[in-house]
Amino acid sequence: GESVGLHLPTLSVQEGDNSIINCAYSNSASDYFIWYKQESGKGPQFIIDIRSNMDKRQGQRVTVLLNKTVKHLSLQIAATQPGDSAVYFCAERRWGGYQKVTFGTGTKLQVIP
Amino acid sequence: DTAVSQTPKYLVTQMGNDKSIKCEQNLGHDTMYWYKQDSKKFLKIMFSYNNKELIINETVPNRFSPKSPDKAHLNLHINSLELGDSAVYFCASSQDGTSAYEQYFGPGTRLTVT
Repeated sequence: GESVGLHLPTLSVQEGDNSIINCAYSNSASDYFIWYKQESGKGPQFIIDIRSNMDKRQGQRVTVLLNKTVKHLSLQIAATQPGDSAVYFCAERRWGGYQKVTFGTGTKLQVIP
Repeated sequence: DTAVSQTPKYLVTQMGNDKSIKCEQNLGHDTMYWYKQDSKKFLKIMFSYNNKELIINETVPNRFSPKSPDKAHLNLHINSLELGDSAVYFCASSQDGTSAYEQYFGPGTRLTVT
């Protein structure tokens, strides 16, 4: 069946280091991938997205990489800060339908000061 | 100004009761959603409305009934609450339901059924 999952449930990173959060997906028909950040007690917040016809997209301190060959998505956060501590979700949308977004299981990022 | 708001933020109730959660967005978006997040943080879509029309209806017990009086509001009514309904419920909206626009989430409603 369709699934979007993450390799690591918890990731601890020293402040100032780079973070890499990974995600595997199984639906080849997905056309759009999104990363969301959820801080404690809040709703998910959009970080960055990437369309399936791209393999890299950069934002402010974040980069998303898409490898369609192995159905892998990653979020790189440069110079990780304490404010980056949160749960990160990858999500996918299948082409052609209404925007039914399937979320992965989430990775908790802990930034060590 | 809050973009997507939900009320109440916390809801504690007993099994068998009926309760409602309200959601409003002031972004002018056409599409709204309800998600359920369980204790393991897994987020699953329940319903989606586009311009007051139901477009996504996942496998959700029919005790859950969404209602969209206008495109800025999407409420969720739950009948005969069960222990397994305890979760955080998030409302979200997006500009429309077909283009790849980001979804904006509300702060969530933590429902506890005792």
